[in-house]
Amino acid sequence: RKEVEQDPGPFNVPEGATVAFNCTYSNSASQSFFWYRQDCRKEPKLLMSVYSSGNEDGRFTAQLNRASQYISLLIRDSKLSDSATYLCVVITTGGFKTIFGAGTRLFVKA
Amino acid sequence: GAGVSQSPSNKVTEKGKDVELRCDPISGHTALYWYRQRLGQGLEFLIYFQGNSAPDKSGLPSDRFSAERTGESVSTLTIQRTQQEDSAVYLCASSPRSSAVGGEQFFGPGTRLTVL
Repeated sequence: RKEVEQDPGPFNVPEGATVAFNCTYSNSASQSFFWYRQDCRKEPKLLMSVYSSGNEDGRFTAQLNRASQYISLLIRDSKLSDSATYLCVVITTGGFKTIFGAGTRLFVKA
Repeated sequence: GAGVSQSPSNKVTEKGKDVELRCDPISGHTALYWYRQRLGQGLEFLIYFQGNSAPDKSGLPSDRFSAERTGESVSTLTIQRTQQEDSAVYLCASSPRSSAVGGEQFFGPGTRLTVL
């Protein structure tokens, strides 16, 4: 079983749609969680951090469920510019190893 | 300010040759990471440097891979006796603090390595 698992997609949605991605992690000692965005043939960039209390940034909302060991990302009112691969990232307590999920591809269509 | 830079941007080499990849982190960033990303796949952690502490080498796939960093500056990733399966984009990232306490990682544009 992979340490961090994501649905690879692709998710094809129309502009204005709401789309949600989930990510599960296997190590209960994981302590820090992030969503990164990667455009085609570009480097990843931080989208947002994820906290147990939830985190909202405009149209984007991230949630952490420690009991079930998953994190989620919700995108409301999708824009064409949201088309990208979304990477779930987990850091484990006691180390600095950063585990990236394989990513979920999103295509937003006009 | 200047971001993370990597060189070369592209490298084509023959199987069995050694290659050296370079990363210049953002000035003042104490943490530096190397990742490998094969085509269509996610990022694979290779190695982590934090200041003058011993690096975390747990992700290096074989003893053909090694990396160095002098203080909090430039890092080099060396792959000896390259194999075709080493073909990938090698990404470097730096952070003002360790990721264990939530530091954002800033990525360079990567070096695309092709082993013929």
